[in-house]
Amino acid sequence: GENVEQHPSTLSVQEGDSAVIKCTYSDSASNYFPWYKQELGKRPQLIIDIRSNVGEKKDQRIAVTLNKTAKHFSLHITETQPEDSAVYFCAARGSGSNFGNEKLTFGTGTRLTIIP
Amino acid sequence: KAGVTQTPRYLIKTRGQQVTLSCSPISGHRSVSWYQQTPGQGLQFLFEYFSETQRNKGNFPGRFSGRQFSNSRSEMNVSTLELGDSALYLCASSLYDPNTEAFFGQGTRLTVV
Repeated sequence: GENVEQHPSTLSVQEGDSAVIKCTYSDSASNYFPWYKQELGKRPQLIIDIRSNVGEKKDQRIAVTLNKTAKHFSLHITETQPEDSAVYFCAARGSGSNFGNEKLTFGTGTRLTIIP
Repeated sequence: KAGVTQTPRYLIKTRGQQVTLSCSPISGHRSVSWYQQTPGQGLQFLFEYFSETQRNKGNFPGRFSGRQFSNSRSEMNVSTLELGDSALYLCASSLYDPNTEAFFGQGTRLTVV
């Protein structure tokens, strides 16, 4: 089955600097890669996602890059703000072409702290 | 459009008891997945249901089971509760297409004493 590894587990950056979180996946059939943000005591919420026919996607201060050959994808947050402090999870999902790979497999999370 | 609803929000049970958690997906969503979240362990996949059929299953013991009804609502059951089952249980719903966003409920926080 799919295995998703996420690094680093914790990350502290100065307000205004950039933050980068990296994930690798094992199943080459995976073709959907979402990123979720979970604030303390709240549910995970999607912040950006990318599909395998795209190498990069950007939404304001957030961008995700995907390298299918190397099987890794990254989240980039620029001009970080205090409200960016949260736990971020990457995930990977297959198309269903391989039986049982439709499930969303999550990384172990990165606790991002923005230092004012 | 109503979001994913999980009930109850909080639950305290004693070791050895059983518990049933409920998840109502967003209207029109046919896929419901369940996750266990514990500090430092991220989101551990339990199982996924699609059109009343269990389509995927994670690496949890048989004490953990689930089902999905014809209206896509899902329940998960944990029997013979252990202290280690204390966690936040999250469900997520999505459309039939795997490449669409999964929406999470607020979760049920289960405490086993």
